[in-house]
Amino acid sequence: ETGVTQSPTHLIKTRGQQVTLRCSSQSGHNTVSWYQQALGQGPQFIFQYYREEENGRGNFPPRFSGLQFPNYSSELNVNALELDDSALYLCASSLDLREVGELFFGEGSRLTVL
Amino acid sequence: SQQGEEDPQALSIQEGENATMNCSYKTSINNLQWYRQNSGRGLVHLILIRSNEREKHSGRLRVTLDTSKKSSSLLITASRAADTASYFCCSTGGTSYGKLTFGQGTILTVHP
Repeated sequence: ETGVTQSPTHLIKTRGQQVTLRCSSQSGHNTVSWYQQALGQGPQFIFQYYREEENGRGNFPPRFSGLQFPNYSSELNVNALELDDSALYLCASSLDLREVGELFFGEGSRLTVL
Repeated sequence: SQQGEEDPQALSIQEGENATMNCSYKTSINNLQWYRQNSGRGLVHLILIRSNEREKHSGRLRVTLDTSKKSSSLLITASRAADTASYFCCSTGGTSYGKLTFGQGTILTVHP
């Protein structure tokens, strides 16, 4: 286990609703990244947070937003859900933005949009 | 961010055999990483190889890196049924340490 925890593990929403996913990073890690993984695809980078500031964003619309808190835990918010938002959402923490090293992934939150 | 593309897309072998997966990327890198994902689960880091390294070992894993060809390979020796998973490579360059770009991965099936 990596020490990165995500909640909820599964959830079902309907089109147009909003969702908040949560992530607790590994102890001592100040950098959190979020990824979306559609079925049969590789993970796609959504955005990264470093010390509560967004530090880079992938090709996702503004209805995908995030937060990082002083304890380095993080939230991913998605507004106006669309069917294509159905995916596994993965959170990954790393020791420091400036360090080359591995990412520690949580087990993910599987979102189904009906 | 840098892109990794894995080849083959799927690989099916018998327990005890070796499995080789390849990865290509497009631009210069600082390091290249391999991750493993069991079905529907989170990714687990396997190994990181820096751009100035050519080969690295970790247990039954052997990774090579050829920066002139912009390619890497992952060899799993004496495979086990528990090695059945998807394997992804990803590279990082500049200061984009957390912004990994993954390909579709190689689905490895090891038959007992």
